[in-house]
Amino acid sequence: AQSVTQLGSHVSVSEGALVLLRCNYSSSVPPYLFWYVQYPNQGLQLLLKYTSAATLVKGINGFEAEFKKSETSFHLTKPSAHMSDAAEYFCAVTGTSGTYKYIFGTGTRLKVLA
Amino acid sequence: NAGVTQTPKFRVLKTGQSMTLLCAQDMNHEYMYWYRQDPGMGLRLIHYSVGEGTTAKGEVPDGYNVSRLKKQNFLLGLESAAPSQTSVYFCASKQGSSNQPQHFGDGTRLSIL
Repeated sequence: AQSVTQLGSHVSVSEGALVLLRCNYSSSVPPYLFWYVQYPNQGLQLLLKYTSAATLVKGINGFEAEFKKSETSFHLTKPSAHMSDAAEYFCAVTGTSGTYKYIFGTGTRLKVLA
Repeated sequence: NAGVTQTPKFRVLKTGQSMTLLCAQDMNHEYMYWYRQDPGMGLRLIHYSVGEGTTAKGEVPDGYNVSRLKKQNFLLGLESAAPSQTSVYFCASKQGSSNQPQHFGDGTRLSIL
């Protein structure tokens, strides 16, 4: 069975500050992990994905995430927040065993303060 | 590049009415999905399809039916709409490999009065 937990449904940061959005997963098989971003009235867009090639994954818009197996975590970071980063972020997990189902977290809404 | 297109974008129904949501993808993807998104609950899988002519139940299938008669289209039907089905519905598609991400449409905002 797989699950995803996103700690903090709302996160506020000042413009220029570090962004850290937390994601912990549970999986009985080696996981593939994804971060998506959703802007208002839009669908989900892929930010980055972990597929076992490298533990530090770089994505679009300056975001990156590090896969830590010992901590079962895949936290999303960005060194310096921009106003345009305000959105909702979703972590998702699927398995490497051929499953086609994805499990999504409940989302974290990021607010960037001027 | 159209990607995943959902129609309609908005709809208001009365309780008991029926309707069909259409999802079309132009990426030749094998897998297609229907989700509903409700505040604080993330995305919940309603039904999915692993290929033309196949469908399967997801996490919350009750009250919905689906069909995939053509590879590029995935239809979601509400036979008798209920207020509990007020939600934002998203369609997604992906290639066959496990490590491929899902591609999402922009959603259909459905209100049931």
